[in-house]
Amino acid sequence: DGGITQSPKYLFRKEGQNVTLSCEQNLNHDAMYWYRQDPGQGLRLIYYSQIVNDFQKGDIAEGYSVSREKKESFPLTVTSAQKNPTAFYLCASKPGRTKVEKLFFGSGTQLSVL
Amino acid sequence: AQTVTQSQPEMSVQEAETVTLSCTYDTSESDYYLFWYKQPPSRQMILVIRQEAYKQQNATENRFSVNFQKAAKSFSLKISDSQLGDAAMYFCAYSTFSGTYKYIFGTGTRLKVLA
Repeated sequence: DGGITQSPKYLFRKEGQNVTLSCEQNLNHDAMYWYRQDPGQGLRLIYYSQIVNDFQKGDIAEGYSVSREKKESFPLTVTSAQKNPTAFYLCASKPGRTKVEKLFFGSGTQLSVL
Repeated sequence: AQTVTQSQPEMSVQEAETVTLSCTYDTSESDYYLFWYKQPPSRQMILVIRQEAYKQQNATENRFSVNFQKAAKSFSLKISDSQLGDAAMYFCAYSTFSGTYKYIFGTGTRLKVLA
């Protein structure tokens, strides 16, 4: 079945550690997005990519990094510079680069700090 | 900058009754899309309904309908015949055709359905 797979479902980070959240899609979608969800703050955009080897910062990119080396993969690294990383992270994708369509979402990763 | 505002952090509705969730947005664009997403306790985001700004007719999907007021920049969601399975967080979202194709979400409204 086609869809977006996020892994792991739960992730724990130690002080000063970088961690990487995986997002893989087999929908052949061009555009991919990373959102952070905190209670009472809705979804905030971290990074997005419209095409392979290109990505743009969202509203809260500081302390995060991404890569888009393959169309189906858009991993997010939470670096040690992100001082408050505890949140629920959602990856999303959509088919076309230049169309406004519904976003398809993964099931999310809950990141917590040890 | 575009913004989306949901002023109701929490709403309650009796089963089988009707409830309306509010959403306002700010934009200088003339062409854009608006969406309502549902996030049940599983945390999986599900599209409920979407509206294209150039269409004057309000979108409807079964028990879900919107009241789109373009001049007032208002986009409310009406849920009729509420069911226990409607209990969830509801997020209003906006996206535009121009340039960035970013999707901007509101802070959400938690809907409780009372049996």
